[in-house]
Amino acid sequence: DTAVSQTPKYLVTQMGNDKSIKCEQNLGHDTMYWYKQDSKKFLKIMFSYNNKELIINETVPNRFSPKSPDKAHLNLHINSLELGDSAVYFCASTPQGYYNSPLHFGNGTRLTVT
Amino acid sequence: AQSVAQPEDQVNVAEGNPLTVKCTYSVSGNPYLFWYVQYPNRGLQFLLKYITGDNLVKGSYGFEAEFNKSQTSFHLKKPSALVSDSALYFCAVRDYSGGGADGLTFGKGTHLIIQP
Repeated sequence: DTAVSQTPKYLVTQMGNDKSIKCEQNLGHDTMYWYKQDSKKFLKIMFSYNNKELIINETVPNRFSPKSPDKAHLNLHINSLELGDSAVYFCASTPQGYYNSPLHFGNGTRLTVT
Repeated sequence: AQSVAQPEDQVNVAEGNPLTVKCTYSVSGNPYLFWYVQYPNRGLQFLLKYITGDNLVKGSYGFEAEFNKSQTSFHLKKPSALVSDSALYFCAVRDYSGGGADGLTFGKGTHLIIQP
């Protein structure tokens, strides 16, 4: 029973392509996030959705577009991929309004742009 | 704005010895503090959290952390290290004045290496 699942686990693609990463959580959480972990392992929040509504949109290029078809899913679409997009992308979720609740993370998607 | 500092890139400890991984934070309100562990090619696993109450909190795998408000610190500790504790450890903070959708702000991580 994977609580937060991401697909694919690995994604290798060429510059200029468009790709998507999918995320699903079966925890009944209302809030979902995308984080980016760079080559130095630094984690930075990209987006936050609450009940399908965008809450946080950090300084992320417009080429990145999250979509939440329902509160259990938060997908990340990336247009015109660049070398600098290579990273590990983590999806996470937490219950709405429970500020003391930890985030539950997926296992990540390693994106390599060549 | 909230921030977390983990001053050590790497901590080396002999197996069986006590370990400490340091974390300091900065928030405008009351902090909610968390420790996570990341094993290679895996996601982050929650270890423990401080919300309120006792300054010493206990978590998974024998880890504990001590909250010190005056020093704005939340150091992770374990009395006796295991080789299997070797991993990347992240400290994170959420400002209570923020909403749940603010997410967590993470430190840069500390590699913990336990030597047999």
